[in-house]
Amino acid sequence: SQTIHQWPATLVQPVGSPLSLECTVEGTSNPNLYWYRQAAGRGLQLLFYSVGIGQISSEVPQNLSASRPQDRQFILSSKKLLLSDSGFYLCAWSGVGGELFFGEGSRLTVL
Amino acid sequence: AQSVTQLDSQVPVFEEAPVELRCNYSSSVSVYLFWYVQYPNQGLQLLLKYLSGSTLVKGINGFEAEFNKSQTSFHLRKPSVHISDTAEYFCAVKDWGGSYIPTFGRGTSLIVHP
Repeated sequence: SQTIHQWPATLVQPVGSPLSLECTVEGTSNPNLYWYRQAAGRGLQLLFYSVGIGQISSEVPQNLSASRPQDRQFILSSKKLLLSDSGFYLCAWSGVGGELFFGEGSRLTVL
Repeated sequence: AQSVTQLDSQVPVFEEAPVELRCNYSSSVSVYLFWYVQYPNQGLQLLLKYLSGSTLVKGINGFEAEFNKSQTSFHLRKPSVHISDTAEYFCAVKDWGGSYIPTFGRGTSLIVHP
């Protein structure tokens, strides 16, 4: 069966520091992959999606970037974090019918 | 552009009472429809999905939803809720073919009181 993992689960970072969140999917090949963010008390904001290795589409211009170095690995990065980057980050992959399967989430607090 | 409207941001209900969470979408094409549940500090979990066929869809945890094409709605229902159903619920829609990206509603917070 397919599984998705993301880490770290929680991190506290100072403003201006770098960021790296990782997501891996197991049990499927060539999945569509997504990064979402939830700010406190708000809905889902799509940040990036990828339909293949090295293919990244950005939905929101910001100081975040994404990479897909391997088929089932999706990385979210920043060179310098802002206070506004705080939130709950979710990685997901999509099934045949377009349903999304989400990871456990990574809570980022920027101080 | 597609949009999803969850009419209630918060729905309080007593335990063992029935509940309906409303979802309307705007789309001129055929769609796939989804409901997700999110417990605090967790990722979203698929509750149920409508791809085609019967308009009444049954999901996990006793939830069901009915697709109404004429009203472009996909309301979620449960006949008797439990305290453990307290969570955030998201409706989502995706066009057949085309975009890889589903459109999500802003979520409805279901609060079950004892």
